[in-house]
Amino acid sequence: AQSVTQLGSHVSVSEGALVLLRCNYSSSVPPYLFWYVQYPNQGLQLLLKYTSAATLVKGINGFEAEFKKSETSFHLTKPSAHMSDAAEYFCAVRNSGSRLTFGEGTQLTVNP
Amino acid sequence: DSGVTQTPKHLITATGQRVTLRCSPRSGDLSVYWYQQSLDQGLQFLIQYYNGEERAKGNILERFSAQQFPDLHSELNLSSLELGDSALYFCASSVALAGANEQYFGPGTRLTVT
Repeated sequence: AQSVTQLGSHVSVSEGALVLLRCNYSSSVPPYLFWYVQYPNQGLQLLLKYTSAATLVKGINGFEAEFKKSETSFHLTKPSAHMSDAAEYFCAVRNSGSRLTFGEGTQLTVNP
Repeated sequence: DSGVTQTPKHLITATGQRVTLRCSPRSGDLSVYWYQQSLDQGLQFLIQYYNGEERAKGNILERFSAQQFPDLHSELNLSSLELGDSALYFCASSVALAGANEQYFGPGTRLTVT
């Protein structure tokens, strides 16, 4: 079965600094990969997805992710963090059928 | 707003009871998924329906069941509730059965079992 591992359950950055959230996947076939964000007391919102069309994927709110097959990674980045980016971020891989298997999540804190 | 609605937002009930969670997918979406989010288990897939038929099962307990109705709304039934069933339950929907189409999540139902 396909799986994802998110490195770092908590990441703290200063406002204006680079955001880097790490995700590694395990898959025997070319994967479909997703990043979701969850704000407090809300559902999950899709940030971006990788479907093999392009290795660099741009999403909403200035986020992007790069698929690197050689490193089995799909890290999420944003050049300059905003206070409003504070949330929990989940990497997910589409598994058999179309169910999603999620990583454990990374809580992002943005300090003023 | 994802277009997926879930009711109720909060539910508090006692052990041994039965509850029903309701989900309405986005307009045009045929596939509905249920996920459970808890502190110890994280986000776990429970079950998927497509156009009224069950299509995939995950870590769903036998005490739990679901169905999708002709109007495509879905219900998740949880019975003989235990303290450990306290969690956030999400419904998601997508257009197709499989492929790269993204899933849109509802706001969730927070279940507290006392």
